[in-house]
Amino acid sequence: SQKIEQNSEALNIQEGKTATLTCNYTNYSPAYLQWYRQDPGRGPVFLLLIRENEKEKRKERLKVTFDTTLKQSLFHITASQPADSATYLCALRGGATNKLIFGTGTLLAVQP
Amino acid sequence: IAGITQAPTSQILAAGRRMTLRCTQDMRHNAMYWYRQDLGLGLRLIHYSNTAGTTGKGEVPDGYSVSRANTDDFPLTLASAVPSQTSVYFCASRETSADTQYFGPGTRLTVL
Repeated sequence: SQKIEQNSEALNIQEGKTATLTCNYTNYSPAYLQWYRQDPGRGPVFLLLIRENEKEKRKERLKVTFDTTLKQSLFHITASQPADSATYLCALRGGATNKLIFGTGTLLAVQP
Repeated sequence: IAGITQAPTSQILAAGRRMTLRCTQDMRHNAMYWYRQDLGLGLRLIHYSNTAGTTGKGEVPDGYSVSRANTDDFPLTLASAVPSQTSVYFCASRETSADTQYFGPGTRLTVL
C-alpha cells in the first residue's frame, strides 16, 4: 500500500542548532514533494517544493533534499529559532493527478 | 478578504443535523479542496474541484457533499452529521499553473 511516513515523535532541539526532519514514502513515484508549516489552530502554509529531478532546494535558512532512490526527503532548518517551533508536513503528488497526499507531520520544538 | 476564509470558526452540532461549512477565496484559483485533519491521521482529502462546475471525490468522501457554482465558493455539506465527523476541516485552493496549495484557517467541528 502507499504510505508517507514522518517521525511522529516530537523533535526537540536547542536554539542555534540545525533541525532535520525526515519524510519517507513507499509505493509512490512523485513528480514533486512539498513541505508545509502548520502552527496550532491554523492552516498549513507552503514552504518549499522540490521536483524529482532536483537533489536539493534552498530558501533562506531552509534546505530540502529529495532522494528518489531512497524514497526520502530531508528538511533542514539551520540556525534554528524558537519561532521555528511548529508542525512540519510533507506532501507529495499522488499519481497523475494534482491531488496532494500528506504525511502526519512532525512537531518541532526549539528550546531557547 | 485576502486569501481563503472559512466559516464558522468552530461549531458544536447534534448528530443527525445538517451542516454546511463555507469556504471563499479571492485569488481566482480554479482548483479548490476540502480536507479533514485528525490526530494521528494527518490531512485527508474529502472532495475537490478542478474548476467551477466540476467536483470529484477524494480519499474520504462518504457523508459529505460539495458544490462549485462559481470560482470563489466551495461549500462542504454534511447531510446528517455523525460523531465520526468530529474533526478540523480545512479548505484549500490552487492556481492551475502552480503546484502549491493555499489553506484557510480551518473549522473545528464537534458532533455530539
